[in-house]
Amino acid sequence: AQTVTQSQPEMSVQEAETVTLSCTYDTSESDYYLFWYKQPPSRQMILVIRQEAYKQQNATENRFSVNFQKAAKSFSLKISDSQLGDAAMYFCAYRSAGNAGKSTFGDGTTLTVKP
Amino acid sequence: NAGVTQTPKFQVLKTGQSMTLQCAQDMNHNSMYWYRQDPGMGLRLIYYSASEGTTDKGEVPNGYNVSRLNKREFSLRLESAAPSQTSVYFCASSEELAGGRETQYFGPGTRLLVL
Repeated sequence: AQTVTQSQPEMSVQEAETVTLSCTYDTSESDYYLFWYKQPPSRQMILVIRQEAYKQQNATENRFSVNFQKAAKSFSLKISDSQLGDAAMYFCAYRSAGNAGKSTFGDGTTLTVKP
Repeated sequence: NAGVTQTPKFQVLKTGQSMTLQCAQDMNHNSMYWYRQDPGMGLRLIYYSASEGTTDKGEVPNGYNVSRLNKREFSLRLESAAPSQTSVYFCASSEELAGGRETQYFGPGTRLLVL
């Protein structure tokens, strides 16, 4: 079974600075997808960014980018120019390409943004 | 376009009581899911439905039943609630994209407290 590990229960960053959240996963599969979700205090789960394992290029969405290291099974999220609205819990998730919908989530990292 | 809606938002039950959590989506998605999120943890899949009329167990199905009433609605039933089922429940739906890519859209969650 796949596992997803987020080793940083809590992180903090100064407004306008850059922060990196770590995620590692364990799988024997070669074709899969990785996701970062944001969960603000409202508890709504919001997709931040998605990475296809077959793509070597790291995904980018505005201020959010990932560092995907397939061999190391690492998938970190970088938030640039942090904003107060970025404060939330962030979840890393894995989904096998052949396992529609069955995503495995990490335990989350709580990000605090200091003004 | 409301996305994914869930009712109720909050519920308190006594041990042994039953209840049904409702979920509906208006995005014409085939796949729908029920997750639970315990404090400080990621989401765990309870049940999912790949299409109308089909359901399948996820990681933690014991104590729950589901019904895919039609394409829009996917309900989760607790027949005899237990304190261990105190959690936040999320419903999600997903669209099928070319190449197997898939994005899940989450509802706002239902907080359930079982006394």
